[in-house]
Amino acid sequence: AQKITQTQPGMFVQEKEAVTLDCTYDTSDQSYGLFWYKQPSSGEMIFLIYQGSYDEQNATEGRYSLNFQKARKSANLVISASQLGDSAMYFCAMREGLRREGNQFYFGTGTSLTVIP
Amino acid sequence: GAVVSQHPSRVICKSGTSVKIECRSLDFQATTMFWYRQFPKQSLMLMATSNEGSKATYEQGVEKDKFLINHASLTLSTLTVTSAHPEDSSFYICSARRQGAETQYFGPGTRLLVL
Repeated sequence: AQKITQTQPGMFVQEKEAVTLDCTYDTSDQSYGLFWYKQPSSGEMIFLIYQGSYDEQNATEGRYSLNFQKARKSANLVISASQLGDSAMYFCAMREGLRREGNQFYFGTGTSLTVIP
Repeated sequence: GAVVSQHPSRVICKSGTSVKIECRSLDFQATTMFWYRQFPKQSLMLMATSNEGSKATYEQGVEKDKFLINHASLTLSTLTVTSAHPEDSSFYICSARRQGAETQYFGPGTRLLVL
């Protein structure tokens, strides 16, 4: 089974509008972390936001917020007030077994976001 | 956030030669570094996990004799692609993580083209 599922290969959003990028995950661990990364055409993976499984509040970082629904095992990324520079690939990732060394990240297949002027 | 550098950013080499890629954590000590490979329009594929001072742990299907990883210090890991072939052409990205921290910070990547 896929550990991380991103069902939207491509998304379009009008500039200044908000957009939600979907991510669902699969784990039997009680302790895990969820991450979102942005990859522009240059290739660099840019860390956006992190949510720990025990965090009760949804994580927010500027225009990014993570809509964490534990029972549904979803961790959607919400980008508010989209900007042209937000056009990029977005990857959802999970690390199981927090505080255990060596555990790898699992990445989704990514969502390509295009912001339309 | 933390800063991770990678060098070179782009390399073109002849088939049969070896290529070394460096990954450095610039403002923190990285007890664990990871090496990924990414094909166009695809997700990242973990190749190996590198812990400082010990042998790297390779993912299934990754040839350890072909992709040599050395994590000699807390700020430097190297990936050497030995006897490179055109099918090794890809985008290689490293990431680094502080001990006890959860977030991985990625380098800018290295585009390898083997002719």
